[in-house]
Amino acid sequence: EVQLVESGGGLVQPGRSLKLSCAASGFTFGDYAMAWVRQAPKKGLAWVATISFDGSGTYYRDSVKGRFTVSRDNAKSTLYLQMDSLRSEDTATYYCARLGTGFEYWGQGVMVTLSS
Amino acid sequence: EIVLTQSPTTIAASPGEKVTIACRASSSVSYIYWYQQKPGASPKPWIYDTSKLASGVPNRFSGSGSGTSYSLTINTMETEDAATYYCQHWSGTPWTFGGGTKLELK
Repeated sequence: EVQLVESGGGLVQPGRSLKLSCAASGFTFGDYAMAWVRQAPKKGLAWVATISFDGSGTYYRDSVKGRFTVSRDNAKSTLYLQMDSLRSEDTATYYCARLGTGFEYWGQGVMVTLSS
Repeated sequence: EIVLTQSPTTIAASPGEKVTIACRASSSVSYIYWYQQKPGASPKPWIYDTSKLASGVPNRFSGSGSGTSYSLTINTMETEDAATYYCQHWSGTPWTFGGGTKLELK
């Protein structure tokens, strides 16, 4: 059974950093591209970043370019999202997702709240 | 950036009723994907490659469309179908989602 479990969220001040993790199991992690998708409170879904199966390619939405870094450790079956210079508009639930036929599998999400 | 506009934003349907949700793209896209999300839960893949049902999706659901105009149809509404549905494209980054259509039970 495919499982994606996010962790690392919490309450953080604007301008600070946070690193999210997504532990994957139930499939060969290194065979799949992975992504982060976020959802602000009571809002819709927004793609954040994607990383290729081997980490050689990364893609970001404009609003996070230069502030967020997606990475992966295939030996640990773990996806990461390093978030720097956080802004109030980054407040959201962050989901990791496995790419396949679309965003094929989703984690349960982790909440990131920006507050001074 | 390709903008996806869903309509209606909210719709209420009675059991047995036919429901159609539209998704219009600002530029032509190759395929549209649909996701279902219920309150407090993660989104679930629902329809992929415009018209293929994801695993476990009842066949009362269907998807169609091409170019800039796509739709998701429920042939006969059931209680469990009440949820928010999002469309999404893969035609180049940024991969964007529609704003969502909340389907309520009447």
